[in-house]
Amino acid sequence: SQQGEEDPQALSIQEGENATMNCSYKTSINNLQWYRQNSGRGLVHLILIRSNEREKHSGRLRVTLDTSKKSSSLLITASRAADTASYFCATEARETSGSRLTFGEGTQLTVNP
Amino acid sequence: DGGITQSPKYLFRKEGQNVTLSCEQNLNHDAMYWYRQDPGQGLRLIYYSQIVNDFQKGDIAEGYSVSREKKESFPLTVTSAQKNPTAFYLCASSTGLLGGSPLHFGNGTRLTVT
Repeated sequence: SQQGEEDPQALSIQEGENATMNCSYKTSINNLQWYRQNSGRGLVHLILIRSNEREKHSGRLRVTLDTSKKSSSLLITASRAADTASYFCATEARETSGSRLTFGEGTQLTVNP
Repeated sequence: DGGITQSPKYLFRKEGQNVTLSCEQNLNHDAMYWYRQDPGQGLRLIYYSQIVNDFQKGDIAEGYSVSREKKESFPLTVTSAQKNPTAFYLCASSTGLLGGSPLHFGNGTRLTVT
């Protein structure tokens, strides 16, 4: 079953604006990861945040994690047309730790030039 | 360059035929995975393997089979028992270590069954 749910399902912004995507999940987790998928391609890992972390940065990406609300957000600052893609959160549940991720349904981001 | 290779990129089959999708990695990863993606949806786990000669069912294993005879290879067979086989299939690998190991994905095989 899908644990993560992304919100919104689709987001359209202008280049230079910030994009925020949210993810909610249901069970206790060891970590949460964000991936990007260009159309018709495989997923690419962006960032991992562990359950004892609250915020993490990587370049123009900022991820937050609130384990009390079972939610995470991905912020992409100063967006570019090349950021157009689908973004997925994935959780490693505590009871299946070690090798297994459960993915949400994704947010389709369109950055207009 | 290290990576994961899935072949072929597109595959067409008639209903009732079994078909095998190839996945090879040269990342020296212990763990490998097969996911299915339907249009506009997320990924669903079919099978995964944490070590050679061992594999476990994921959430939607019915109608699929796998083998893991070599560390580098994790082929997926879509059998005629799979009711809705048309989908985008993604293979991934990871170090499989505890505490979070990112997945590395291939570029997928798009299977169409008519």
